[in-house]
This record gives sequence, C-alpha cells and structure tokens, in this order.
Amino acid sequence: DTEVTQTPKHLVMGMTNKKSLKCEQHMGHRAMYWYKQKAKKPPELMFVYSYEKLSINESVPSRFSPECPNSSLLNLHLHALQPEDSALYLCASSNPARRGKSLTDTQYFGPGTRLTVL
Amino acid sequence: GQQVMQIPQYQHVQEGEDFTTYCNSSTTLSNIQWYKQRPGGHPVFLIQLVKSGEVKKQKRLTFQFGEAKKNSSLHITATQTTDVGTYFCAGFKNSGYALNFGKGTSLLVTP
Repeated sequence: DTEVTQTPKHLVMGMTNKKSLKCEQHMGHRAMYWYKQKAKKPPELMFVYSYEKLSINESVPSRFSPECPNSSLLNLHLHALQPEDSALYLCASSNPARRGKSLTDTQYFGPGTRLTVL
Repeated sequence: GQQVMQIPQYQHVQEGEDFTTYCNSSTTLSNIQWYKQRPGGHPVFLIQLVKSGEVKKQKRLTFQFGEAKKNSSLHITATQTTDVGTYFCAGFKNSGYALNFGKGTSLLVTP
C-alpha cells in the first residue's frame, strides 16, 4: 500500500470558521509533511514531522496549526484564514534514510485538499 | 539558501516530438528527484538520481544528473498525450529533510 489519503477533497470556509484537514498513511513512514500549492506554482513546504515531533516549521502563520496524533495521522487545524490562503494543501510521507553522504527520501503525496477561503 | 531553477517554464509540442526540461542548483545536491503532476492531480514521484553523472531510463524518459551534481535533465522521446503535466525537479533543503522544488515545466502535447 503506497497510498496517502487526505480528507476532505474540497473545503470552502469563511474567515471566521475553524476547520481541520486530515491525512493518513499506512506505509510505516516516520516523516510526514504539509505543503501548500498555489495554481501553476510548485509545492511550498509548511511543516515537517519526524517521528511524530515537529521538526520543521517554515515560518507558517499561527492560523495554521499542525498536529501529529500518531505515526499514521497528520492534521492541519485552520482558524481565521484569509482569502489568500486558498490553495491546494498536500500531505506527503516518507522514510528518509542516509546512504553514505546521500540522503534518500522518496515522498509520497496524497491527492490534496482544495481549500477556498471566502 | 539553496535554490533550484528549472527551465523552460512551459513547453508545447506536437505528439511525437521530443521534450527536455533542465534543472540547475546554486549548490551541490546530495541527490535530485523528479516528480510529475497531472492537471488537477498531485505530484507523483518518478525517479531519484544520486551519483555524479548518473543516467537512468524509464521507457521513453531519460534522466541525467550532472558530473558536478548541480544540474539535471529529463528528456522524453516521442511525446504522447499522456505525458501532459508539470514536471518538477527537487533537491533537499539545507535542513536536510525537506525538498526544495523547482518551479516546474508545464508540458502540453497536442495530437
């Protein structure tokens, strides 16, 4: 099973709403990621969890709050978002490994949640 | 910080023509990965190159990693309409466990 699942597929929310995005993988991967992707742009990293601990926060505004309840699940809690936060939110997972001096890390992406903030 | 540049931004070819996208990094990469994203889809891993001068083939796709490990290319021979999508190269950020994506090359193939 090389699948990463994300729910919901689409989400429309107002600026005062609180919502959560969910991601799940059952590949035994120990690193999980949230990316934000605007139209015609590459994915931009938001957060990295490694062994269920937050290891990277790419200076993301506090209105985005990640959570990793266990090694298979990753959530992204949303509160007081702005219209410019509308984007495709991608979750990914991987098992980073070092072979000599090289880091190998194939990331498996979920289908994404397309978020619209009104 | 490390930047990964990718050209061209767009490419429109007739079916059967060849296609190449190029990726350049400002610093030496430990390895480079290539992903394909279909319109409306999500990035899908294609391949990882690790060794200096490495060349790998997947059917009509040929991937190269430069001798200095600062550049890479993806070449598609005899494109098909199924090749339509955006091709991203990605190298690791200095933090080590996060990918830095190039801007991508969007390929359009017309029959």
